[in-house]
Amino acid sequence: DAGVIQSPRHEVTEMGQEVTLRCKPISGHNSLFWYRQTMMRGLELLIYFNNNVPIDDSGMPEDRFSAKMPNASFSTLKIQPSEPRDSAVYFCASSPRTGVYTFGSGTRLTVV
Amino acid sequence: GENVEQHPSTLSVQEGDSAVIKCTYSDSASNYFPWYKQELGKRPQLIIDIRSNVGEKKDQRIAVTLNKTAKHFSLHITETQPEDSAVYFCAASTGGYQKVTFGTGTKLQVIP
Repeated sequence: DAGVIQSPRHEVTEMGQEVTLRCKPISGHNSLFWYRQTMMRGLELLIYFNNNVPIDDSGMPEDRFSAKMPNASFSTLKIQPSEPRDSAVYFCASSPRTGVYTFGSGTRLTVV
Repeated sequence: GENVEQHPSTLSVQEGDSAVIKCTYSDSASNYFPWYKQELGKRPQLIIDIRSNVGEKKDQRIAVTLNKTAKHFSLHITETQPEDSAVYFCAASTGGYQKVTFGTGTKLQVIP
C-alpha cells in the first residue's frame, strides 16, 4: 500500500488566489481527517469525514475554507481566497475503525 | 469535548538517559491513547498506543503507562539515542470512528 497520498507537496501562491489540496486515503480506511500544523497552534483538526460524510467541521477557521469527499478514495481541501495567515503545513490522515491514524506527507502552503 | 494537556513542551536529555513525557485528558469516556513521533520536516508517525483495558505496554525501549482514575498517561523512553530527537505528541480518543485529540507536543533533544 502506498499510504496516504497528498498533493501537491509544496504550494506557493499569491494572496487572493484559490488553493486546492488533495488527498487519497488508504484503501479500506473509513475515516479521513484534515489537519493544519503551525508553530503557534500545533496540530489543529480542521474537519473529518466518516464514510465520505462530514462529521465535524468545527475546526474550519472560516468560510474561506471548504472540504469535500466525493468518494472513498479522494478528498479536497479548498481555500478561497487565500491569505498569508493560511501559510502552514496541511496534513491529511486516514484511519480504519481501530482509530489508528496514518498521515500523509503533508502539503506545505505558502501564501505571499 | 476532549482536552489533552502535555508536558513538558521541551526536554533535553543526555544520550543514554531516560525521557518521560506526561499527558492528561479530560473526557472519562476516552479509551484509546496513541503516541506519535514527528521528525523534522516529516509526517507524524504512530510509535505506540494503549487502550483503556491495559495499564502498561512496552515495545523495546519505549513504554506507555495509563492511569484511568487520574486520567493521565505517560511515555517513557529508556537508553535514549540521538535518533530519538523529535517532537512527540500524545493523543486521546473515545475509539471507533471518533476523532483523536492531540496534545501540544514535546520537543525532545537527545544530546550525544
